[in-house]
Amino acid sequence: DAGITQSPRYKITETGRQVTLMCHQTWSHSYMFWYRQDLGHGLRLIYYSAAADITDKGEVPDGYVVSRSKTENFPLTLESATRSQTSVYFCASSDPNEKLFFGSGTQLSVL
Amino acid sequence: GQSLEQPSEVTAVEGAIVQINCTYQTSGFYGLSWYQQHDGGAPTFLSYNALDGLEETGRFSSFLSRSDSYGYLLLQELQMKDSASYFCAVRVLYSSASKIIFGSGTRLSIRP
Repeated sequence: DAGITQSPRYKITETGRQVTLMCHQTWSHSYMFWYRQDLGHGLRLIYYSAAADITDKGEVPDGYVVSRSKTENFPLTLESATRSQTSVYFCASSDPNEKLFFGSGTQLSVL
Repeated sequence: GQSLEQPSEVTAVEGAIVQINCTYQTSGFYGLSWYQQHDGGAPTFLSYNALDGLEETGRFSSFLSRSDSYGYLLLQELQMKDSASYFCAVRVLYSSASKIIFGSGTRLSIRP
């Protein structure tokens, strides 16, 4: 099916563990984005990518790593999870200067 | 850096009209978008303004004034299903790419 999918939908982990959130889109959009959403903060940009092998930091990149070896995939890794990274994470994609399409989100709890 | 300001909460009556304002401070501004998000769901696109003026899409309209760094979303004939959070977002050019930054959102509550 065409679209943008995130996995897992829910994840519980412990502090210090490495966690990878997956994002896959089937439109071949050049741009992909990772946001986190916390109450009172709206959507904050973590990382974005303008094309395969091109990534850049957003507003809150500390503690996160991304890669984009293929246009359709944009995984987000928490190298050593902290409680402050408990959040809902949204992946999105778009063509240049076009609207964002969001995935369903990953609800991450770090205990 | 970039910053966007929008009211945190707005309440309106079913059938009425409501306006949600957004002011922004940013360099490399390219355009202003609006997104709707229902509780537990993902944001969905509503409208986009790159040029000054009003854009109308059904019951929703969006306005942009680049000289004032200001825009608004206008919702007409409010329905209970319009109860949701609304986010303004700016697309900014940075280096050779563009990124999209969101405001903190406005929670719209509709009363019967």
